[in-house]
Amino acid sequence: EDKVVQSPLSLVVHEGDTVTLNCSYEVTNFRSLLWYKQEKKAPTFLFMLTSSGIEKKSGRLSSILDKKELFSILNITATQTGDSAVYLCAVGCNNNDMRFGAGTRLTVKP
Amino acid sequence: GAVVSQHPSWVICKSGTSVKIECRSLDFQATTMFWYRQFPKQSLMLMATSNEGSKATYEQGVEKDKFLINHASLTLSTLTVTSAHPEDSSFYICSAIQHLTGEQYFGPGTRLTVT
Repeated sequence: EDKVVQSPLSLVVHEGDTVTLNCSYEVTNFRSLLWYKQEKKAPTFLFMLTSSGIEKKSGRLSSILDKKELFSILNITATQTGDSAVYLCAVGCNNNDMRFGAGTRLTVKP
Repeated sequence: GAVVSQHPSWVICKSGTSVKIECRSLDFQATTMFWYRQFPKQSLMLMATSNEGSKATYEQGVEKDKFLINHASLTLSTLTVTSAHPEDSSFYICSAIQHLTGEQYFGPGTRLTVT
């Protein structure tokens, strides 16, 4: 059965720390891996990864995919209180199916 | 860890029929559950907030008579797409707020295809 596992489920850090969020997956016909940030009404799309080893970067956030080991990481450097949110990982398949992970709750304390 | 399940994982139905999607919190009580729908370019839209024992709160533009939400217990919310049309084909995701901690957990999603 297809599954997406995120770790840790919950993480508390202080401002300025760097965090690494993990997402591992087991799916058939992998097409893409997506990261979202859930703050308010709906998750905000962050990155879509399709190729191994190519880092995607947006400000202090970056992500990379390893299709051989079936995982992705999301890095946040110099964290701020505004980074506090639930970060979701989702995997899309070639048959248009998708599977979401349970999310990682990040709390950044001042 | 907290787990939220959705059933079915995928469903194909004919135009005009209704389909029910279940969202369950497996090891915690959830007084609040949310229903989302995925749109092109990976965006997720909040459809409604489901509170146990009361009527769901729908976001603007979401037809409450078409997307019926029932949150009958602290561990189960259902979304029924009534008189489904091909344009309702989408990916529907639920999330649940753990009652004691306030933490939010997402279900794996349900792919609905209306033919």
